[in-house]
Amino acid sequence: DTAVSQTPKYLVTQMGNDKSIKCEQNLGHDTMYWYKQDSKKFLKIMFSYNNKELIINETVPNRFSPKSPDKAHLNLHINSLELGDSAVYFCASSQERRQYFGPGTRLTVT
Amino acid sequence: RKEVEQDPGPFNVPEGATVAFNCTYSNSASQSFFWYRQDCRKEPKLLMSVYSSGNEDGRFTAQLNRASQYISLLIRDSKLSDSATYLCVVDVSGGYNKLIFGAGTRLAVHP
Repeated sequence: DTAVSQTPKYLVTQMGNDKSIKCEQNLGHDTMYWYKQDSKKFLKIMFSYNNKELIINETVPNRFSPKSPDKAHLNLHINSLELGDSAVYFCASSQERRQYFGPGTRLTVT
Repeated sequence: RKEVEQDPGPFNVPEGATVAFNCTYSNSASQSFFWYRQDCRKEPKLLMSVYSSGNEDGRFTAQLNRASQYISLLIRDSKLSDSATYLCVVDVSGGYNKLIFGAGTRLAVHP
């Protein structure tokens, strides 16, 4: 009974490519998020959507574009991948204050 | 100055020990506070919320000092399974659930 799922779990790609990460939650939550955890383990919020509407958009390069087709899904598309994009990307969802995280997608750009 | 600061550790303690983690935050308007736990190569999971009056959940006690902008977590009777990274988390958005995570304090409990 996975609450927040992400695909793929691992992604290895070359610089300059475009890739997408998918996230789905079956908790019925209204709000979903994307976070980036870099090699120094800092976890930083990138985007937040509430009922398909963008409500938090941190200072993220515009190569990153989130898309929410419905409130159970929040996908992340990344154009022109760079070495510095290598990180673990976590999706999360929440209703009220508690956030539930997906298992993460480990992205390696070579 | 980082928005949420923690001692990175590691804290190496024997089973049964009591260990305390501290955290400071810079945004005095922050309203909600949490401790999350993250195991190696896993996702963060909520350990407990932190309330102004202090709160306890089994062996875990959290305290908040708004005047000093300081949060603490006390773990009593440490278990091997407590080994993880503990993340101090502050909601700076006043309702939008914009969480700022500290870099985490690593705890290693040994037999």
